[in-house]
Amino acid sequence: KQEVTQIPAALSVPEGENLVLNCSFTDSAIYNLQWFRQDPGKGLTSLLLIQSSQREQTSGRLNASLDKSSGRSTLYIAASQPGDSATYLCAVPNNAGNMLTFGGGTRLMVKP
Amino acid sequence: GAVVSQHPSRVICKSGTSVKIECRSLDFQATTMFWYRQFPKQSLMLMATSNEGSKATYEQGVEKDKFLINHASLTLSTLTVTSAHPEDSSFYICSASRVAGTDTQYFGPGTRLTVL
Repeated sequence: KQEVTQIPAALSVPEGENLVLNCSFTDSAIYNLQWFRQDPGKGLTSLLLIQSSQREQTSGRLNASLDKSSGRSTLYIAASQPGDSATYLCAVPNNAGNMLTFGGGTRLMVKP
Repeated sequence: GAVVSQHPSRVICKSGTSVKIECRSLDFQATTMFWYRQFPKQSLMLMATSNEGSKATYEQGVEKDKFLINHASLTLSTLTVTSAHPEDSSFYICSASRVAGTDTQYFGPGTRLTVL
């Protein structure tokens, strides 16, 4: 059974800092990994999707890496801003593609 | 606690028919439910947000007349794909939150829809 873990569970940083969010998964036989952002009371917003054949993906100030062999992914946020405050989730699909397993999320607070 | 179920888990239908997918919160009352869609090799995309007893709020580009959402009770939301076409084939997943404004969402296992 796939298990996804995110560390840290919560993070508070001053504005401008670069930060790294971690995601680990127990079954490395994945075909992609997704990072999402969740604002309070809102649905998930997709940030980045990394296919299993890729090592990283970049979108603006966000960079996500994937190391299948070690079962890890990181989300790097450069020059953090108060608007980045949210919960960040990673998720991997099962082999049949009919279920997503989510990590517990990292709640990020960026202070002005 | 906090279990969300979806039914059916898989459905295959002919083009032109309508399909209803149910999302239930089994052990808690869900004020807000979300519906997502995921195409193969693409990320999960939010379709709509529904609050119990009110009309759903649809994301840009999602046809409200095609994807009918009903959230008539605190434990049940339904998504009906009307006049389904092959391009509607996708993985549909719902999530539920206990209280509006909280960021804790509990996800259902998803429904794989295949339209022939």
